[in-house]
Amino acid sequence: GESVGLHLPTLSVQEGDNSIINCAYSNSASDYFIWYKQESGKGPQFIIDIRSNMDKRQGQRVTVLLNKTVKHLSLQIAATQPGDSAVYFCAEKNFGNEKLTFGTGTRLTIIP
Amino acid sequence: NAGVTQTPKFQVLKTGQSMTLQCAQDMNHNSMYWYRQDPGMGLRLIYYSASEGTTDKGEVPNGYNVSRLNKREFSLRLESAAPSQTSVYFCASSVFGSGELFFGEGSRLTVL
Repeated sequence: GESVGLHLPTLSVQEGDNSIINCAYSNSASDYFIWYKQESGKGPQFIIDIRSNMDKRQGQRVTVLLNKTVKHLSLQIAATQPGDSAVYFCAEKNFGNEKLTFGTGTRLTIIP
Repeated sequence: NAGVTQTPKFQVLKTGQSMTLQCAQDMNHNSMYWYRQDPGMGLRLIYYSASEGTTDKGEVPNGYNVSRLNKREFSLRLESAAPSQTSVYFCASSVFGSGELFFGEGSRLTVL
């Protein structure tokens, strides 16, 4: 994925609802995908990762889905809380290469 | 346990001045990275280092140089700063092969 401009896509979700954040990646050779959360004024934090031999992986309140056919990645957050408000980035890399590339972020806002 | 430490946190330069951003990690990680983040945008990879003694270009290396001084330290140098280099710079480190990067708090650089 690449940054597409000055304005991040935004998503507003009611507190308690589920959130789905999408990411389209560009490099069909990528075989490892990661989601990061960035709160205002801080560096990104790792959330969850998935390898290309999987299509779903679950963590605590988060699920990542990978569709290699259409080069699409999604992050589902269950029962969103105010602390989930942040910018979320997907990232991609190849095994054997340490280069990690970030995609366009999505700003998630939780409505009380 | 400090994690990833960046200095300075803030810097104002005039066009043409030079400076070095310092980064150190205490997690015994092999891989280190430098990213820049412009307002409202994603992170773009400047340079990365898979191990002590090696460095590789990322997406936006022009105008920057790096030094992997030892396993702990990875510095980023601007030889002749330009206004286009006004940004927030993040250093990160990881275990080799992992997509879980640990980020510093960022260095906010303004070039006048």
